[in-house]
Amino acid sequence: QQQVKQSPQSLIVQKGGISIINCAYENTAFDYFPWYQQFPGKGPALLIAIRPDVSEKKEGRFTISFNKSAKQFSLHIMDSQPGDSATYFCARRPCSNDYKLSFGAGTTVTVRA
Amino acid sequence: DSGVTQTPKHLITATGQRVTLRCSPRSGDLSVYWYQQSLDQGLQFLIQYYNGEERAKGNILERFSAQQFPDLHSELNLSSLELGDSALYFCASSVGQGARGGELFFGEGSRLTVL
Repeated sequence: QQQVKQSPQSLIVQKGGISIINCAYENTAFDYFPWYQQFPGKGPALLIAIRPDVSEKKEGRFTISFNKSAKQFSLHIMDSQPGDSATYFCARRPCSNDYKLSFGAGTTVTVRA
Repeated sequence: DSGVTQTPKHLITATGQRVTLRCSPRSGDLSVYWYQQSLDQGLQFLIQYYNGEERAKGNILERFSAQQFPDLHSELNLSSLELGDSALYFCASSVGQGARGGELFFGEGSRLTVL
Protein backbone atom coordinates (compact mmCIF):
# COMPACT_ATOMS: atom_id res chain seq x y z
CA GLN A 1 0.00 0.00 0.00
CA GLN A 2 2.95 2.29 0.60
CA GLN A 3 3.05 4.71 -2.29
CA VAL A 4 5.98 6.62 -0.92
CA LYS A 5 9.35 5.00 -0.33
CA GLN A 6 11.23 6.58 2.54
CA SER A 7 14.91 6.33 3.43
CA PRO A 8 16.91 5.87 5.51
CA GLN A 9 15.15 3.70 8.08
CA SER A 10 17.14 5.36 10.85
CA LEU A 11 19.91 7.87 11.27
CA ILE A 12 22.10 9.22 14.03
CA VAL A 13 23.38 12.77 13.91
CA GLN A 14 25.42 14.88 16.26
CA LYS A 15 23.90 17.95 17.85
CA GLY A 16 24.21 20.82 15.41
CA GLY A 17 24.40 18.54 12.40
CA ILE A 18 22.03 18.19 9.47
CA SER A 19 19.52 15.34 9.22
CA ILE A 20 18.32 14.46 5.74
CA ILE A 21 15.40 12.17 4.99
CA ASN A 22 14.34 11.29 1.47
CA CYS A 23 11.09 10.09 -0.02
CA ALA A 24 10.30 8.91 -3.53
CA TYR A 25 6.81 8.72 -4.92
CA GLU A 26 5.11 6.96 -7.76
CA ASN A 27 3.88 8.68 -10.86
CA THR A 28 0.38 9.54 -9.70
CA ALA A 29 -1.52 12.75 -9.18
CA PHE A 30 -1.11 14.42 -5.84
CA ASP A 31 -1.58 17.75 -4.21
CA TYR A 32 0.17 17.72 -0.87
CA PHE A 33 3.29 16.16 0.54
CA PRO A 34 3.18 16.51 4.32
CA TRP A 35 5.79 15.45 6.86
CA TYR A 36 4.77 14.14 10.24
CA GLN A 37 6.79 13.96 13.45
CA GLN A 38 6.11 11.30 16.07
CA PHE A 39 7.58 11.19 19.56
CA PRO A 40 7.59 7.94 21.55
CA GLY A 41 4.19 7.24 23.06
CA LYS A 42 2.49 9.92 21.00
CA GLY A 43 0.58 10.06 17.76
CA PRO A 44 2.07 11.58 14.62
CA ALA A 45 1.64 15.34 14.25
CA LEU A 46 1.99 17.48 11.14
CA LEU A 47 5.40 19.13 10.96
CA ILE A 48 5.42 20.81 7.57
CA ALA A 49 3.75 20.29 4.19
CA ILE A 50 4.54 21.26 0.61
CA ARG A 51 2.61 21.45 -2.62
CA PRO A 52 4.29 20.18 -5.81
CA ASP A 53 4.20 23.62 -7.44
CA VAL A 54 6.65 24.82 -4.78
CA SER A 55 10.28 23.68 -4.92
CA GLU A 56 11.15 24.46 -1.32
CA LYS A 57 9.48 25.38 1.92
CA LYS A 58 11.19 26.36 5.13
CA GLU A 59 9.82 26.57 8.63
CA GLY A 60 12.43 27.35 11.22
CA ARG A 61 15.10 24.66 11.11
CA PHE A 62 12.97 22.36 8.96
CA THR A 63 13.09 22.56 5.17
CA ILE A 64 11.28 20.51 2.56
CA SER A 65 12.75 20.44 -0.91
CA PHE A 66 10.88 19.01 -3.86
CA ASN A 67 12.38 17.57 -7.02
CA LYS A 68 9.55 16.91 -9.42
CA SER A 69 11.69 15.49 -12.23
CA ALA A 70 13.23 12.94 -9.88
CA LYS A 71 9.90 12.29 -8.15
CA GLN A 72 11.54 12.88 -4.80
CA PHE A 73 11.11 15.15 -1.84
CA SER A 74 13.34 15.57 1.16
CA LEU A 75 13.23 16.85 4.71
CA HIS A 76 16.29 18.64 6.03
CA ILE A 77 16.63 19.32 9.74
CA MET A 78 19.27 21.99 10.18
CA ASP A 79 21.19 22.47 13.44
CA SER A 80 19.67 19.23 14.78
CA GLN A 81 18.86 19.27 18.49
CA PRO A 82 18.28 16.40 20.95
CA GLY A 83 14.64 17.46 21.09
CA ASP A 84 14.35 16.61 17.39
CA SER A 85 14.88 12.94 18.20
CA ALA A 86 11.71 11.35 16.87
CA THR A 87 10.33 9.30 14.02
CA TYR A 88 9.57 11.24 10.87
CA PHE A 89 7.08 10.14 8.25
CA CYS A 90 6.64 11.52 4.78
CA ALA A 91 3.19 11.21 3.26
CA ARG A 92 1.23 12.07 0.20
CA ARG A 93 -2.30 13.18 -0.29
CA PRO A 94 -3.73 12.58 -3.76
CA CYS A 95 -5.73 15.29 -5.43
CA SER A 96 -8.08 12.78 -6.96
CA ASN A 97 -11.24 11.64 -5.25
CA ASP A 98 -9.08 9.90 -2.65
CA TYR A 99 -8.32 12.04 0.31
CA LYS A 100 -6.55 9.68 2.65
CA LEU A 101 -2.89 10.06 3.45
CA SER A 102 -0.44 7.35 2.46
CA PHE A 103 2.63 7.28 4.66
CA GLY A 104 6.21 6.23 4.17
CA ALA A 105 7.71 3.63 6.50
CA GLY A 106 9.26 6.24 8.77
CA THR A 107 12.77 7.35 9.73
CA THR A 108 13.92 7.27 13.33
CA VAL A 109 16.23 10.22 13.97
CA THR A 110 18.51 10.20 17.01
CA VAL A 111 20.37 13.39 17.81
CA ARG A 112 23.35 12.86 20.09
CA ALA A 113 24.26 15.65 22.46
CA ASP B 1 -2.94 17.67 22.68
CA SER B 2 -4.55 16.98 19.29
CA GLY B 3 -8.08 16.81 20.67
CA VAL B 4 -8.54 13.22 19.46
CA THR B 5 -9.21 10.77 22.26
CA GLN B 6 -8.58 7.05 22.02
CA THR B 7 -9.40 4.34 24.52
CA PRO B 8 -8.05 2.09 25.81
CA LYS B 9 -4.40 3.13 25.70
CA HIS B 10 -3.20 -0.41 26.26
CA LEU B 11 -4.90 -3.74 25.76
CA ILE B 12 -3.58 -7.25 26.25
CA THR B 13 -5.63 -10.15 25.06
CA ALA B 14 -5.33 -13.70 23.79
CA THR B 15 -5.48 -15.15 20.31
CA GLY B 16 -8.99 -15.76 19.07
CA GLN B 17 -10.49 -13.00 21.17
CA ARG B 18 -12.35 -9.87 20.06
CA VAL B 19 -11.62 -6.30 21.11
CA THR B 20 -13.14 -2.89 20.45
CA LEU B 21 -11.11 0.28 20.17
CA ARG B 22 -12.84 3.60 20.58
CA CYS B 23 -12.09 7.02 19.14
CA SER B 24 -13.59 10.45 19.74
CA PRO B 25 -12.56 12.93 17.04
CA ARG B 26 -11.78 16.60 17.56
CA SER B 27 -14.80 18.74 18.14
CA GLY B 28 -16.27 19.64 14.76
CA ASP B 29 -14.36 17.03 12.76
CA LEU B 30 -16.59 14.84 10.61
CA SER B 31 -14.00 12.39 9.28
CA VAL B 32 -12.39 9.62 11.27
CA TYR B 33 -9.51 7.52 9.97
CA TRP B 34 -8.03 4.35 11.41
CA TYR B 35 -4.38 3.48 10.91
CA GLN B 36 -2.35 0.49 12.06
CA GLN B 37 1.27 1.00 13.01
CA SER B 38 3.57 -1.97 13.32
CA LEU B 39 7.36 -2.07 13.49
CA ASP B 40 7.86 -3.44 10.02
CA GLN B 41 4.94 -1.84 8.19
CA GLY B 42 4.86 1.76 9.29
CA LEU B 43 1.50 3.51 9.24
CA GLN B 44 -1.03 1.53 7.24
CA PHE B 45 -4.40 3.02 6.41
CA LEU B 46 -7.31 0.83 7.39
CA ILE B 47 -10.55 2.73 6.87
CA GLN B 48 -12.14 6.18 6.83
CA TYR B 49 -15.60 7.33 7.84
CA TYR B 50 -17.15 10.65 7.02
CA ASN B 51 -20.25 11.78 8.88
CA GLY B 52 -21.30 8.22 9.59
CA GLU B 53 -20.65 6.76 6.16
CA GLU B 54 -17.71 4.67 5.03
CA ARG B 55 -15.60 6.89 2.77
CA ALA B 56 -12.48 4.90 1.93
CA LYS B 57 -11.08 1.51 2.65
CA GLY B 58 -7.48 0.36 2.80
CA ASN B 59 -6.02 -3.07 3.44
CA ILE B 60 -8.37 -3.80 6.30
CA LEU B 61 -8.76 -7.46 7.11
CA GLU B 62 -12.19 -9.06 6.95
CA ARG B 63 -11.81 -9.86 10.65
CA PHE B 64 -11.75 -6.12 11.32
CA SER B 65 -14.71 -3.79 11.08
CA ALA B 66 -15.48 -0.24 12.03
CA GLN B 67 -18.33 2.16 12.32
CA GLN B 68 -18.97 5.79 13.06
CA PHE B 69 -21.90 6.69 15.26
CA PRO B 70 -24.28 9.67 15.05
CA ASP B 71 -22.26 11.49 17.72
CA LEU B 72 -19.26 11.00 15.38
CA HIS B 73 -17.25 8.77 17.65
CA SER B 74 -15.92 5.66 15.98
CA GLU B 75 -15.16 2.12 17.00
CA LEU B 76 -12.77 -0.36 15.44
CA ASN B 77 -13.66 -3.97 16.10
CA LEU B 78 -10.95 -6.60 15.80
CA SER B 79 -12.03 -10.23 16.00
CA SER B 80 -10.44 -13.69 15.88
CA LEU B 81 -7.25 -12.00 16.93
CA GLU B 82 -3.91 -13.36 15.81
CA LEU B 83 -0.41 -12.69 17.12
CA GLY B 84 0.28 -10.58 14.05
CA ASP B 85 -2.49 -8.16 14.96
CA SER B 86 -0.33 -6.84 17.79
CA ALA B 87 0.27 -3.20 16.86
CA LEU B 88 -0.50 0.39 17.66
CA TYR B 89 -3.86 1.46 16.30
CA PHE B 90 -4.27 5.14 15.65
CA CYS B 91 -7.36 7.15 15.06
CA ALA B 92 -7.14 10.46 13.27
CA SER B 93 -9.70 13.07 12.34
CA SER B 94 -10.22 15.95 9.94
CA VAL B 95 -12.92 18.50 9.36
CA GLY B 96 -13.81 17.55 5.82
CA GLN B 97 -13.65 14.42 3.74
CA GLY B 98 -9.91 14.65 3.34
CA ALA B 99 -6.78 15.92 5.00
CA ARG B 100 -6.97 19.63 4.16
CA GLY B 101 -3.48 20.90 3.64
CA GLY B 102 -2.24 17.38 4.29
CA GLU B 103 -3.16 17.56 7.96
CA LEU B 104 -4.78 14.87 10.02
CA PHE B 105 -5.06 15.09 13.79
CA PHE B 106 -3.96 11.87 15.46
CA GLY B 107 -4.81 10.46 18.83
CA GLU B 108 -2.16 8.85 21.03
CA GLY B 109 -3.08 5.38 19.89
CA SER B 110 -4.23 2.12 21.41
CA ARG B 111 -1.51 -0.45 21.87
CA LEU B 112 -2.84 -3.94 21.32
CA THR B 113 -0.84 -6.94 22.43
CA VAL B 114 -2.11 -10.39 21.44
CA LEU B 115 -0.58 -13.26 23.41
